[in-house]
Amino acid sequence: ENVLTQSPATLSLSPGERATLSCRASQSVSSYLAWYQQKPGQAPRLLIYDASNRATGIPARFSGSGSGTDFTLTISSLEPEDFAVYYCQQRSSWPPLFTFGPGTKVDIK
Amino acid sequence: QVQLVQSGAEVKKPGASVKVSCKASGYTFTSYGISWVRQAPGQGLEWMGWISGYNGYTNYAQKVQGRVTMTTDTSTSTAYLELSSLRSDDTAVYYCARDVLAVAGTAPGYWGQGTLVTVSS
Repeated sequence: ENVLTQSPATLSLSPGERATLSCRASQSVSSYLAWYQQKPGQAPRLLIYDASNRATGIPARFSGSGSGTDFTLTISSLEPEDFAVYYCQQRSSWPPLFTFGPGTKVDIK
Repeated sequence: QVQLVQSGAEVKKPGASVKVSCKASGYTFTSYGISWVRQAPGQGLEWMGWISGYNGYTNYAQKVQGRVTMTTDTSTSTAYLELSSLRSDDTAVYYCARDVLAVAGTAPGYWGQGTLVTVSS
């Protein structure tokens, strides 16, 4: 089983600062890595899929990079609405099988 | 626009079964797969399985294999999740989510609103 590890568990930043979130896989996932944002009481929202592709309607301040086992989600300048929990997720090519990381909480410093 | 509308909250006793529905609109149902993901109170996201909207092919997570059944009704563009032999640790919000691309098994990109299932005696 491919295990995803996210760091840090909590990131305390101020609006306008740059956020860098890390996701590491125990085995290579190629580029099959996605990032989600979740706010309390809401469904997750897809931000990035296949490592670096922004989903429809996602602002350009969100970017993803990496391949193999090490991935990064960068928020270039935090907006007030960006304070949330972020999950990474890996998928297999076939059959479809997904695993989520434990999440990183981005909170206001 | 793509919409996934799930059925309402359920309260079940241990050992019972629950069936959650997910009605899709705004796209061609048979062109995309759907995942089911759950989230226990205060916990992270757990993927339960995936079903093809095209032919009903399924792949389940090992943790729920044997207790879970995912089906679709293409005539009504609805996906269903049935979970049997419910336990207290099945208490969670259950989400359906459509593949972001019309390529089987891409990241879940469009999500339903969630259905709270509470298992309690």
